[in-house]
Amino acid sequence: AQSVTQLGSHVSVSEGALVLLRCNYSSSVPPYLFWYVQYPNQGLQLLLKYTTGATLVKGINGFEAEFKKSETSFHLTKPSAHMSDAAEYFCAVSETGNQFYFGTGTSLTVIP
Amino acid sequence: GAGVSQSPSNKVTEKGKDVELRCDPISGHTALYWYRQSLGQGLEFLIYFQGNSAPDKSGLPSDRFSAERTGGSVSTLTIQRTQQEDSAVYLCASHLPGTGYGYTFGSGTRLTVV
Repeated sequence: AQSVTQLGSHVSVSEGALVLLRCNYSSSVPPYLFWYVQYPNQGLQLLLKYTTGATLVKGINGFEAEFKKSETSFHLTKPSAHMSDAAEYFCAVSETGNQFYFGTGTSLTVIP
Repeated sequence: GAGVSQSPSNKVTEKGKDVELRCDPISGHTALYWYRQSLGQGLEFLIYFQGNSAPDKSGLPSDRFSAERTGGSVSTLTIQRTQQEDSAVYLCASHLPGTGYGYTFGSGTRLTVV
């Protein structure tokens, strides 16, 4: 069965500090993995995705994520947080590239 | 259209009334999903359409909730006899299966039951 676990429902970082949002998945086959971002009062936007190929994936706004099969992880990172990064972040997994399963989300707060 | 369009963006209704929420997906996207997001909560899957059929309705929380999709395009989520616990943001997403692309989400409908 497919599932996603996001450790830490709330993460706070100082402006300019490293952002690390954790995502672990469960899948019986090589998965498709996605990160979405949701700004206040908006829908979800695709941040980045892993389908096949290079395990380090770069997304928008300086974010990147690394697919680590041995750890069943797809953690999201950004070297230097910006105030505009404050949002809700969702990790999602799919075995088929069709129906996706979402984590419960991590709320990122950036402290000036 | 260029994106997924949801209407209305906000809806306030009295307890016990019926409401209809509309989703207009990206043209050509055969798959359509409805999710519910309660305050401070994650995404709760409601229903999935492939074309006009709904292979997975497992997330509908009660028989007061129903959804349909006509012409493989627009979908309507109907909530009958609304209750206060139905207050949430209802998100719609569309997708073209087999492409490896993710879902495209609409901006949601914020439903408040008073």
